[in-house]
Amino acid sequence: DAGVTQSPTHLIKTRGQQVTLRCSPKSGHDTVSWYQQALGQGPQFIFQYYEEEERQRGNFPDRFSGHQFPNYSSELNVNALLLGDSALYLCASSPLGGGREKLFFGSGTQLSVL
Amino acid sequence: AQSVTQLDSQVPVFEEAPVELRCNYSSSVSVYLFWYVQYPNQGLQLLLKYLSGSTLVESINGFEAEFNKSQTSFHLRKPSVHISDTAEYFCAVSDRASGTYKYIFGTGTRLKVLA
Repeated sequence: DAGVTQSPTHLIKTRGQQVTLRCSPKSGHDTVSWYQQALGQGPQFIFQYYEEEERQRGNFPDRFSGHQFPNYSSELNVNALLLGDSALYLCASSPLGGGREKLFFGSGTQLSVL
Repeated sequence: AQSVTQLDSQVPVFEEAPVELRCNYSSSVSVYLFWYVQYPNQGLQLLLKYLSGSTLVESINGFEAEFNKSQTSFHLRKPSVHISDTAEYFCAVSDRASGTYKYIFGTGTRLKVLA
């Protein structure tokens, strides 16, 4: 059973560019959350998707947007990249029905903005 | 707003010695509590969780944590650590009344086990 898979694993962009990160949730999971983990910090909640809609959002600007597809996979888009966007981006999924409080994390996408 | 404090950024400890990693959260509302472990260049792995019931929860690899509502704490302990326990440990809280499952993480504690 594959866990949460994220692609790509590493990415290098320059300031002002746009980036798309992808996430496939664990089998049987329908909810996807995205977190940003800056170097030396704990993960910070960006937003959560369920039934193809954004359900809750953290304190991130509108440059951060997302999407969830009918197969529950998700994308995180970041526009107009800033140096401060350099971080590990983690996707987490949680299961159908009961157990939504349990998050399972992917290994992340390391984004470097130059 | 909910917050999580991990008082120790780094904890060095000798192999086979006991260890305690401290975690306090800000709100007394009904919460779920978690400990995650992160090895270098990897994502987060769930170590243990408190959802309800017994306030003492255990993991399969010897860690335990105790939920203390009055002190709003969820400290992680292990009676005897191994070299392989060297990693970053994150405490997280989720407000169960909010209806969604946004986690608030602490800044992490780096556990370094010395031979």
